Formats: sequence, C-alpha cells, structure tokens
Amino acid sequence: EVQLVESGGGLVQPGGSLRLSCAASRFTFSSYWMTWVRQAPGKGLEWVANIKQDGSDKYYVDSVKGRFTISRDNAKNALYLQMNSLRVEDTAVYYCAREGSSSSSAPLDYWGQGTLVTVSS
Amino acid sequence: SYVLTQPPSVSVAPGQTARITCGGNNIGSKSVHWYQQKPGQAPVLVVYADSDRPSGIPERFSGSNSGNTATLTISRVEAGDEADYYCQVWDSNSDHPGYVFGTGTKVTVL
Repeated sequence: EVQLVESGGGLVQPGGSLRLSCAASRFTFSSYWMTWVRQAPGKGLEWVANIKQDGSDKYYVDSVKGRFTISRDNAKNALYLQMNSLRVEDTAVYYCAREGSSSSSAPLDYWGQGTLVTVSS
Repeated sequence: SYVLTQPPSVSVAPGQTARITCGGNNIGSKSVHWYQQKPGQAPVLVVYADSDRPSGIPERFSGSNSGNTATLTISRVEAGDEADYYCQVWDSNSDHPGYVFGTGTKVTVL
C-alpha cells in the first residue's frame, strides 16, 4: 500500500527555519500532484501548498507565501517543505498527502502520519 | 476567499443516521471530498467527488451535493464512527487557487 513518511519537525524559535521531508513509496511518485496540510493543536485542517508532478506549478495559502517553499525530487521519491521566517502561528502537525488524480479538484487519497513543528521562544 | 461552514458538532445514537452539512456559495458546482479524523490519527478519505467511496469505506457512508450545501450521511452509526469530519473543495475561482477545508464537525455517538 502507498506509504508517506514525514520527518524534519521539531522545536524552532520564531524567525527560524526548518525543512520538512516526506518519503514516498509503493506508488509512482512522479505521476502525482502532492500536497502539504497542517493542523494547529486543537484546530482544524489547513491546506498549505501543493506541487505538480514535474514541479512546474506550485500553489500556496496566502499566510505562507514568500516564507514557505514546496519542492520535490522525483528521483528520490521525496517531497519537501522549506519553512523560513517561522511564526508562533505556524505551530502545527504537518501532513504530506497524495492528490488522487490529475484533476485540479482531486481528493487527498493517502496521508502520512504527520510531523510536529513547534515555534516557540 | 472561499469559505466552507460546518456545524461544530453532531450527536447521534447508535444505529441511527448522522447528517453533516457543509455550506458554501454554489458548492453544488464544485467537487466535494470528505475526511474522517480520529484523535491522534491522520485524516482518512471517506467520500470523494460528492458521492463516491474509496475502496474499503463502508456503504454506510454516502454523500450528496446541490445548491449551497453538501452533505455527508452516515447510516446505521457505530461507536467507531465517532470522529471529526471535514469537507474539502478546490477553489479555482479566486486569484489564489487552492484547497479549502471546512471548519470541521465532531460526531459524538451517544
């Protein structure tokens, strides 16, 4: 079955940086759009960013534009989220997820277990 | 930006039917997906494209979408259905396209 494993979370001070990774396996990674979704403690789900199969198209939620960068390495079956200028309000569990079809309105059919990012002084 | 509104909570007795609404402007023109999330776990897709079920999801889960409201229906509710549920769409109409999640609904099985 499809497997997505996030890593790279941890404690970081406000203004700091962190790079999240998502290792994908058991499917043809290069054939799918991929997405990052986050969930602040006790709160709902928030979409963060997504990236096209070849990395040529990327979209971001307004609150992270200019601070976060999504990227992928299809040779390594890996998805990344570079997070700079982190704020307290970026504290959340970050999930990577696969978009289940080539449609722009595809469902997120597989999710990783998430990695916790805590921004605090 | 596009907003999806869900009731914060729904309570239902075992064996009864739970209906969770997701309100959005002309949501009937969009493809709606639904996720179940249990405490400490990642979300799981339970309904996609308004009314389709992924493999392994019981037939008790169904969906509909029309006008300004999409609905997830859970028939013959079981204790294991207690979870948070989120609707989701892709908003392509704004200057900033992206996925939008609903506010979430906590389903409590009495």
